Formats: sequence, C-alpha cells, structure tokens
Amino acid sequence: LAKTTQPISMDSYEGQEVNITCSHNNIATNDYITWYQQFPSQGPRFIIQGYKTKVTNEVASLFIPADRKSSTLSLPRVSLSDTAVYYCLVGDSYILTGGGNKLTFGTGTQLKVEL
Amino acid sequence: GAGVSQSPSNKVTEKGKDVELRCDPISGHTALYWYRQSLGQGLEFLIYFQGNSAPDKSGLPSDRFSAERTGGSVSTLTIQRTQQEDSAVYLCASGRDRLSTDTQYFGPGTRLTVL
Repeated sequence: LAKTTQPISMDSYEGQEVNITCSHNNIATNDYITWYQQFPSQGPRFIIQGYKTKVTNEVASLFIPADRKSSTLSLPRVSLSDTAVYYCLVGDSYILTGGGNKLTFGTGTQLKVEL
Repeated sequence: GAGVSQSPSNKVTEKGKDVELRCDPISGHTALYWYRQSLGQGLEFLIYFQGNSAPDKSGLPSDRFSAERTGGSVSTLTIQRTQQEDSAVYLCASGRDRLSTDTQYFGPGTRLTVL
C-alpha cells in the first residue's frame, strides 16, 4: 500500500493561495492521486485527480513531479468556506495488480481560513 | 439526483451488542466501499465490493466485522459484539466501476457510539 503523509494543519487568510503537499514515496506505477475535501459531519467530496504533471479544474490545481513521490494541491484565492479537512488518496488499479482496489487515505490536513 | 444514503445516521449501542449499518449506493454504481473514521483520524478503508462480491476484505479490523451486498445495490456492514473502540463514523461510497480512476461518491456516514 502506498502510504501518504500530509501536514496536520494549515492556516491561511481569505484571498490567498494555499498549497497542500502530500508525500507518497511508495506510490506504484498504476496508482492515481486523488484529493478529497471533507466538512464536519459530511462525507468526503472529490476535488481533483491526476497521474502526473499538472491537472487543473474549476476548483483547484494538482501538481505532480516527475518522480510522483509527492503531489501538491493548490487552492487559488481561498475563502472562509474552504475551511475543511483535505485528504490525499493514492489508489491501486484492481485490473492491473489483480490484488483488489486498495485505497489509502492520509490523516488529512485541516485547513483553516480566516478573514 | 439521488446520492449515496446511509442509515441510521446515528447509532448508540451497548458494548457487546450487534449492529447493522446500511448503505444505499447511487443507482447503477457497481463499486461500493466502506470506510471508517475515528475521532481525529483519517479515513480507514474497510472493504470494497464489485457487484455482490468482495474481492478485498483485508481492511476489516477483526472477524467481528462483516459486510454483504445483495442485488448489486444495498450493502450492510455488520459489527458483532461491539467494543468501545468500534466507535467511529462509518462511511460508504460508491463508484461507477472498480478502477482507481473512478470518482467515489460518499454518503453522509453513520456515527456509531459504543457505550
């Protein structure tokens, strides 16, 4: 299993860009990297997914270096409503590994955005 | 559209009792996942289903935990002889298929408290 490591918490202010980095040194060739956002008392919500280089959607950007041993979630111009826990997820492919779809979440990063 | 639903939303039980947690995935989703989240912890993978079969049960913490899925739809997670350490939020997620590239859609969770 590819374990992930993230900072426990981060603080920011409205309007700033926030970058959260996840380490996954044991990532396998077939693994994808997915980030989820979770508000209190809710299930995690998909933010973005990537395999390598850079992925951008309307919510965030995901930067993955060539060695893929880490990834950085970038949230542009955060607001108070972005205060949440952010999880980095690295997943195996069932078909290619034949071992089942094992999914590992990190401990998550508690992002607190203030005025 | 309808998302993933779970019931009950909250369950308080006494140590030693059995509990059943239910998950209704999004219609047409063949993949179904169970996770649990203990207070202050990240998400812990428990088991996943592809259709009615569970290729990977390795995340189940003990033989007191079991899960089944019938008709490729509803899933039940059963915990026998509950212990206080079983107290957590149990989250269910569904996806279109079993690949790690597939986005998982999470339910609101069941908060289990074992007294």
